Amino acid sequence: EAGVTQSPTHLIKTRGQQATLRCSPISGHTSVYWYQQALGLGLQFLLWYDEGEERNRGNFPPRFSGRQFPNYSSELNVNALELEDSALYLCASSSQTDTQYFGPGTRLTVL
Amino acid sequence: AQSVTQPDIHITVSEGASLELRCNYSYGATPYLFWYVQSPGQGLQLLLKYFSGDTLVQGIKGFEAEFKRSQSSFNLRKPSVHWSDAAEYFCAVGAGQAGTALIFGKGTTLSVSS
Repeated sequence: EAGVTQSPTHLIKTRGQQATLRCSPISGHTSVYWYQQALGLGLQFLLWYDEGEERNRGNFPPRFSGRQFPNYSSELNVNALELEDSALYLCASSSQTDTQYFGPGTRLTVL
Repeated sequence: AQSVTQPDIHITVSEGASLELRCNYSYGATPYLFWYVQSPGQGLQLLLKYFSGDTLVQGIKGFEAEFKRSQSSFNLRKPSVHWSDAAEYFCAVGAGQAGTALIFGKGTTLSVSS
């Protein structure tokens, strides 16, 4: 069974640009979660999508947004990039339980 | 406030020695507890989870963890550490239903010496 996949592996942007990160959940999982792992800040919850809708978001500004497609894959968009957005962005998926399975992450570097 | 504390930032263990990583949590509802492992530059791999029932849970790679409600702890153990266990370990707590944001500890980095 294929796990959670994320693309790209690495992404380099400059301040003010927009970044788009992609995630494909485990087959059969309808929930997708996004987390940010920034140096010194640990793992922080960003967003939860389920059945195509944003259901919950963490304490992040509106320039962090995303969507979930009919096939349950998801996109995370970060607008007006700031230097402190540099981090590993992890996507996870789950079915109806609380067990979240994580992908390998996208390393975003903002210059 | 809901939180997870991993008191040890970095631990070094000799190969073949036993390991215990500590985790304490504060959570308003019934806690569902997880341990994940992260190798450098990689995502998180689920080691084990506790939802209910037997308080000693077995996971992958020979790891086990014990839930102690009275101490609000969920410590991870392994009887004999291998060099390949060197990684960062995260304890997390959730509410046991889809959509719950997991709350993670800051992680413990495990180094294994030969």
